[in-house]
Amino acid sequence: DADVTQTPRNRITKTGKRIMLECSQTKGHDRMYWYRQDPGLGLRLIYYSFDVKDINKGEISDGYSVSRQAQAKFSLSLESAIPNQTALYFCATSDSGTGWAGELFFGEGSRLTVL
Amino acid sequence: AQSVTQLGSHVSVSEGALVLLRCNYSSSVPPYLFWYVQYPNQGLQLLLKYTTGATLVKGINGFEAEFKKSETSFHLTKPSAHMSDAAEFFCAVSVRGNNRLAFGKGNQVVVIP
Repeated sequence: DADVTQTPRNRITKTGKRIMLECSQTKGHDRMYWYRQDPGLGLRLIYYSFDVKDINKGEISDGYSVSRQAQAKFSLSLESAIPNQTALYFCATSDSGTGWAGELFFGEGSRLTVL
Repeated sequence: AQSVTQLGSHVSVSEGALVLLRCNYSSSVPPYLFWYVQYPNQGLQLLLKYTTGATLVKGINGFEAEFKKSETSFHLTKPSAHMSDAAEFFCAVSVRGNNRLAFGKGNQVVVIP
């Protein structure tokens, strides 16, 4: 089984619908992240969490919210999806002991299409 | 804030030829520099990183990169491309004390038989 698991892997939805993307990890890491990947734009940070009680906005948090339900679980919600939120979403984890010199471990991605 | 620039979204290379992907960074303090690779339908994985010490860094699958402070660069190379190197490559930068890992826009590498 993958160390960082994202569900669903693919989702097609309609404008205005609420969507939740879930991420769970078995690496025992305390830090978790949500990124968005768009062709030609690379990865952009949406939200990050350094522990269960710590939630921080990234560079493109508008239209998104997150919940850190446990150290191993970090979910991303789109309260009212819009077409320009169509993208590939990645969850990632890291160990605080390595700080920002450390490696990020990525899930396989959740492809979201908003019609 | 720190940032990286990767030029040329698509890079074509012949099998057996040199792979060279350019990355230039912007940072007012000493950076940590990374290359990540994304194979088709997979998440990103770390290829190599520079934090401190030796400026020539070796990674997985025969890739290496050299940190050149005077040129603010961290270019990725592999002497001989293999078909399995077809992937998207991302350069990224972070600095101590800043809770950000900034990614470049990526290079899609196509290997021509």
